[in-house]
Amino acid sequence: DADVTQTPRNRITKTGKRIMLECSQTKGHDRMYWYRQDPGLGLRLIYYSFDVKDINKGEISDGYSVSRQAQAKFSLSLESAIPNQTALYFCATSEQDRGHGYTFGSGTRLTVV
Amino acid sequence: SQKIEQNSEALNIQEGKTATLTCNYTNYSPAYLQWYRQDPGRGPVFLLLIRENEKEKRKERLKVTFDTTLKQSLFHITASQPADSATYLCAPNSGGYQKVTFGTGTKLQVIP
Repeated sequence: DADVTQTPRNRITKTGKRIMLECSQTKGHDRMYWYRQDPGLGLRLIYYSFDVKDINKGEISDGYSVSRQAQAKFSLSLESAIPNQTALYFCATSEQDRGHGYTFGSGTRLTVV
Repeated sequence: SQKIEQNSEALNIQEGKTATLTCNYTNYSPAYLQWYRQDPGRGPVFLLLIRENEKEKRKERLKVTFDTTLKQSLFHITASQPADSATYLCAPNSGGYQKVTFGTGTKLQVIP
């Protein structure tokens, strides 16, 4: 099994629909992140969580919400999807001791039509 | 504002040569900088981390340098192979925050 698992891998949804992207990890890391990637814009941070009770907005949190259900689970929701949220979404984890690399999931390709 | 610059133009290099990728940053004072490899449609994979008090870091065929005066990191792949073809991302940490910000990456193509 992958260290960081994202579901679904691909999703097409309609404008206005609510959608949830899920992430689970077996690394035992406290820190989890959600990024989106768009061509030419790189990876942009949506939300991050340093532990179960700590949730923080990233640089592009508008239109998104998150839930940290457990140390191992961090889900991202789009309450009312819009076409410009079409992107590749990545979940990542890292150790508490800063300076360690991130472990990324395989991504969710989301298309909003 | 904070900015990370990586060459957006693809880098084409002959197999066996050394590839050198550049990462410049402005308005950052990173305590460390990370490099990642990303293949199309896949998540980035962590390669190396270099701290501000380190000038150079090596791992097998990879070498990273970090010049805090020039605000630049160089990433070298020696004896490059076609399997090294990918996009490489640099990621300095964001000042006091214990998280990193990613550059847009440089696409490397190693030609057999």
